[in-house]
Amino acid sequence: SQQGEEDPQALSIQEGENATMNCSYKTSINNLQWYRQNSGRGLVHLILIRSNEREKHSGRLRVTLDTSKKSSSLLITASRAADTASYFCATSTRTDKLIFGTGTRLQVFP
Amino acid sequence: DTEVTQTPKHLVMGMTNKKSLKCEQHMGHRAMYWYKQKAKKPPELMFVYSYEKLSINESVPSRFSPECPNSSLLNLHLHALQPEDSALYLCASSHPGGLASYNEQFFGPGTRLTVL
Repeated sequence: SQQGEEDPQALSIQEGENATMNCSYKTSINNLQWYRQNSGRGLVHLILIRSNEREKHSGRLRVTLDTSKKSSSLLITASRAADTASYFCATSTRTDKLIFGTGTRLQVFP
Repeated sequence: DTEVTQTPKHLVMGMTNKKSLKCEQHMGHRAMYWYKQKAKKPPELMFVYSYEKLSINESVPSRFSPECPNSSLLNLHLHALQPEDSALYLCASSHPGGLASYNEQFFGPGTRLTVL
């Protein structure tokens, strides 16, 4: 399969804690993106990191990319109940094609 | 307008029916996508249209027939589907990759399809 793999598959934390999820992929990429999906709904783009970038921040999100290890991580700081969702990484190898990872289901308890 | 709309939200159809899913965006994006998503799985790419031309078909069975009538609309025509085709069908749009290295995709809310 061309899919990336994410771990953990599921993560449960308390509000205020940090959540870290990891993504590994198999081929060289142009960029890597993270998306959030609330239950049974469309995906929302969170952040994009280019292959020549190592770290990027957006609000409470921090993404790192290690192209030598073909891996990325998403850190959500000071989590909130509203962060409860599934999170997918997606890699772009061809410019119009995204390949999604297996996803991490995050549950944040109030 | 930064929204991708999809109709209908829910669709139940028999295996002999013909139906269509519709997707619309007014962001000026010239790349549009259909994805299929089964429960607790990631979206799987089905088709990509770039500048209203089919550029990627991920070996999708012919019972799914995409159409891009203009730069804002994308249809997915369904015929003789199987129960295993029941899934959430997502439409997305973006700038084609050739314009920039950013190809952030904007997703619609999806159509929940049930095939009986």
